[in-house]
Amino acid sequence: EDQVTQSPEALRLQEGESSSLNCSYTVSGLRGLFWYRQDPGKGPEFLFTLYSAGEEKEKERLKATLTKKESFLHITAPKPEDSATYLCAVLRGGATNKLIFGTGTLLAVQP
Amino acid sequence: GAGVSQSPSNKVTEKGKDVELRCDPISGHTALYWYRQRLGQGLEFLIYFQGNSAPDKSGLPSDRFSAERTGESVSTLTIQRTQQEDSAVYLCASSLTGAGANVLTFGAGSRLTVL
Repeated sequence: EDQVTQSPEALRLQEGESSSLNCSYTVSGLRGLFWYRQDPGKGPEFLFTLYSAGEEKEKERLKATLTKKESFLHITAPKPEDSATYLCAVLRGGATNKLIFGTGTLLAVQP
Repeated sequence: GAGVSQSPSNKVTEKGKDVELRCDPISGHTALYWYRQRLGQGLEFLIYFQGNSAPDKSGLPSDRFSAERTGESVSTLTIQRTQQEDSAVYLCASSLTGAGANVLTFGAGSRLTVL
């Protein structure tokens, strides 16, 4: 059964304190791994897609990496505006286009 | 439109009533998804439409849930005889086909509260 597990469930950082969020997955034939950001009261907003082990993507203070079993979202020198829930999702092999989401990591960055 | 539009944004109903939630996808997006998000939890897949293909209904939790989509336009999610456990935010998303497929653009959601 496809499974996506995110850790930690919640993370509190001081402004400027770098850290990483983890997304572990078990899926048959990964076709893509996606990171989304969700602010309170809003729908998730797309950040990155990773397709193969070793791939990396960057956007401002965020960097996503992928191995055969997990993905990391590295946050460098975070700011309070980076506070949000970060969601990971996977797309398995085959004909399906159904994204399976993890439960997210709630990040709070304090000034 | 510029984004995915959902209505109503908030709905409070009594247990046992039927509700309809509407989603207007981004123009030109052939794929449309419905997800459910309970308080403090992740997104739970409900149903997926792709063009004229048969929808993937594998995530619908019971026969009280149904969804329709006409062509590549509006979709309606219907919940019959609502129960308190149906309380959640219902999120709609759309995506392009081809290289842009699976990059979902989400609406702001419809928050359903069943009393």
